Amino acid sequence: AQSVSQHNHHVILSEAASLELGCNYSYGGTVNLFWYVQYPGQHLQLLLKYFSGDPLVKGIKGFEAEFIKSKFSFNLRKPSVQWSDTAEYFCAVTPRRGYSTLTFGKGTMLLVSP
Amino acid sequence: DAMVIQNPRYQVTQFGKPVTLSCSQTLNHNVMYWYQQKSSQAPKLLFHYYDKDFNNEADTPDNFQSRRPNTSFCFLDIRSPGLGDAAMYLCATSRDRGSGGTDTQYFGPGTRLTVL
Repeated sequence: AQSVSQHNHHVILSEAASLELGCNYSYGGTVNLFWYVQYPGQHLQLLLKYFSGDPLVKGIKGFEAEFIKSKFSFNLRKPSVQWSDTAEYFCAVTPRRGYSTLTFGKGTMLLVSP
Repeated sequence: DAMVIQNPRYQVTQFGKPVTLSCSQTLNHNVMYWYQQKSSQAPKLLFHYYDKDFNNEADTPDNFQSRRPNTSFCFLDIRSPGLGDAAMYLCATSRDRGSGGTDTQYFGPGTRLTVL
């Protein structure tokens, strides 16, 4: 079975600081990778996803993530965060076989101070 | 707007008193999922419906049941809630479940269940 590990449970940054949230997965085969975001009081929504091709994927709101196969990692980055990026961020994977369901990490709560 | 709707947003029940949570979708998606998310933990899949085909996760307790009377609606029934069942319950949908797991899931806002 697959598992997902997110390195930090809480991150506090000032506006304009750069962001990198770590995500590592464990699975013996090929995976699809996702980052979801949950803004305060709102539902989980997809930020970006990687299936194949260019390992650097760009998502909404200036976020990007890089898949490094050798490290089993899919870290989320943003060069300059804004107060509105305050949210909880979840990394998730699905094995690329038949039908498969999402396995989430525990999430990272990001607080951006103005 | 097309969306996933969950009612109620907050539900309080008593220990052992059956409770039903509701999810509806206007996306006309084939697959509907129920997740349980406890505080500071990852969302955990309980089960999903692919059309009318029910798929239970191996470690989902028997206390949790689900119904999908039509494409748009799906219900989560907790037959005898315990204190440990207090959590956020998330409903999600996807167009399909095949394609090697590439279908995006769309989530509702969740129902926070409190058990007294």
